[in-house]
Order: sequence, then C-alpha cells, then structure tokens
Amino acid sequence: QQPVQSPQAVILREGEDAVINCSSSKALYSVHWYRQKHGEAPVFLMILLKGGEQKGHEKISASFNEKKQQSSLYLTASQLSYSGTYFCGTEPMGNTPLVFGKGTRLSVIA
Amino acid sequence: KAGVTQTPRYLIKTRGQQVTLSCSPISGHRSVSWYQQTPGQGLQFLFEYFSETQRNKGNFPGRFSGRQFSNSRSEMNVSTLELGDSALYLCASSRDRTNYGYTFGSGTRLTVV
Repeated sequence: QQPVQSPQAVILREGEDAVINCSSSKALYSVHWYRQKHGEAPVFLMILLKGGEQKGHEKISASFNEKKQQSSLYLTASQLSYSGTYFCGTEPMGNTPLVFGKGTRLSVIA
Repeated sequence: KAGVTQTPRYLIKTRGQQVTLSCSPISGHRSVSWYQQTPGQGLQFLFEYFSETQRNKGNFPGRFSGRQFSNSRSEMNVSTLELGDSALYLCASSRDRTNYGYTFGSGTRLTVV
C-alpha cells in the first residue's frame, strides 16, 4: 500500500526549515528517502531501518517512528539546491520492493 | 565510476506497437529494479531481478515483461502499447539496498501516440 506524504508541496525562503512526513498503514522494515530534481533521476538520501537511530548528513536528517509507522525528513537552513521533489519509499519486509509515496514538491526561493 | 545507463532516453511509439528498453547497472550491482513514473501515480514498481531471476513483480498487466542477462544488464518489454503506457521508465540498481539504497538511471521517456 502506497505511503502517504505530507505536505504535497511547500515553498520556503532560503534559510527556513521544513519537515516532510511519510505515513504507512503497514508495519515497516525500512524507510528510504530520495530527492528528484526536474528532469533528473531520483537520488538516494538516506535509509532508516526498524530499530535504527535517527540519521542525517549536513542539514538534512530523518527519523522513523516504528509505533506510528511514520518517518519524517527534516531540512534545516534550506538552500536553493534543496529544491526538488522528495519521495519516501517504504519496505514492509527485507528484500521486498520499495513502495513510493507520491512525493512532496519543495521549492526554495531567494 | 559509471552510473546506471538507460537507453534510449526518448521514444515515441504508436498504439499497438511494442518497445524494448535497456538498462545497464553499475558494475558489481546484481539487483535491477524497474519503475514507471507518471505525474498522477508517482513511482510504481514493475519488477525486480537478481542474478537473472525475477525476484518480485508489481501489479502490471502481462504486456509488461522483463529479463536480466548474465552480465546483470536488464531489458523490459511492453507489447501492444496503449496511450496510458506513456511515462518515464526508471531503472534502479543496488548492491545492498537495505544499506545503500537504489541508484537510479535517468530513465527512458516513452510517449505513445
């Protein structure tokens, strides 16, 4: 079942923060996050595993709440380069196909 | 190191025709997955191959098929094309998806007229 992402779209000014949520109705083994810029391939950001810790690199981090089957992606002090569509991909069990949400379009303006 | 290569980048086909798309994964990646991306549905899983065996298949009609060769290159075929098959078809390879995720190719943009 496709996870639900919110919000569908968000516009930020440079330096502002954003949170993107991904919720599933099924128990999850892992949650992946990807970013896709217009006309380009999706790019892997990070994975959160069941029982794992919050992850992050630079100003982008994520958490995974196993009880709620929800993951959140945190973007702090946004930069113009953060613009794109963010997808979460959920995996109910190991080695099962990723099911992606419909994406959150993030636009960062100067 | 070379990324995931998909050919062709663009295709225009007529309804009823068939099409074959190709994907060359990153060297050493034995798993190849295919996704269909449309504005309305987002990324929809088609199939996954590992060491020449189909490991998983999505909910697409039998007109969609695929295969993987011994060098890990993969092809997908769509027969009897319909207008609704117009989409971006993305191939993704991985060596250990649980820890490293997918590396996607740039996709093949298929337009059915």
